[in-house]
Amino acid sequence: QSALTQPASVSGSPGQSITISCTGTSSDIGNYNLVSWYQHHPGKAPKFIIYEFTKRPSGVSNRFSGSKSGTTASLTISGVQAEDEADYYCCSYAGSDIWVFGGGTKLTVL
Amino acid sequence: QVQVVQSGAEVKKPGASVKVSCKTSGYSFTANAVHWLRQAPGQGLEWMGWINGVDGYTKYSQNFRGRVTFTSDTSASTAYMELSSLGSEDTAVYYCAKGHNFVLDYWGQGTLVTVSS
Repeated sequence: QSALTQPASVSGSPGQSITISCTGTSSDIGNYNLVSWYQHHPGKAPKFIIYEFTKRPSGVSNRFSGSKSGTTASLTISGVQAEDEADYYCCSYAGSDIWVFGGGTKLTVL
Repeated sequence: QVQVVQSGAEVKKPGASVKVSCKTSGYSFTANAVHWLRQAPGQGLEWMGWINGVDGYTKYSQNFRGRVTFTSDTSASTAYMELSSLGSEDTAVYYCAKGHNFVLDYWGQGTLVTVSS
């Protein structure tokens, strides 16, 4: 059960688009369409923002979008805003009732 | 509305056990799961496992197998996580989250567990 691989940090200026990658294996991301993304502001409860790779729950800004290519999932934030500065985690179902998370990516809005 | 409320901070000595509660409301506890995760200082989220609300089925991450136990009280819509043989490396914020359709859709506020002699 290895963790998914995410970059430790990304940054962008307000209005720019940023993409966070999440690399797994053929046992998790590559085998299930069950990747979700979570936004975590330190000191607060994490919030889920994307599920099944590309779907957004109600109430989540359409500036957040997800995609998949092979064993890599990606989260794109279009028109980054100061309020988007947070930690972002990907998560994949890995079979046998196991879930695996990425190590997290810190987004800094310059 | 859905609410997930965890018990308060704990300070434990090395070798002790800790039990964290996760009280839920606003949805059918028995129709969903509760996942447990933790975040050590400066680290990312680590998935610990989950418990099925309908029958108490549990699945543990191999990283915690043998040291962690999940239980639930369906009459109180509450899940519990007990971690034993605590060491300093277990100092972390522990989260519970409602699981539904492979998504952790509502999270608790976190419980800080500090292990210190």
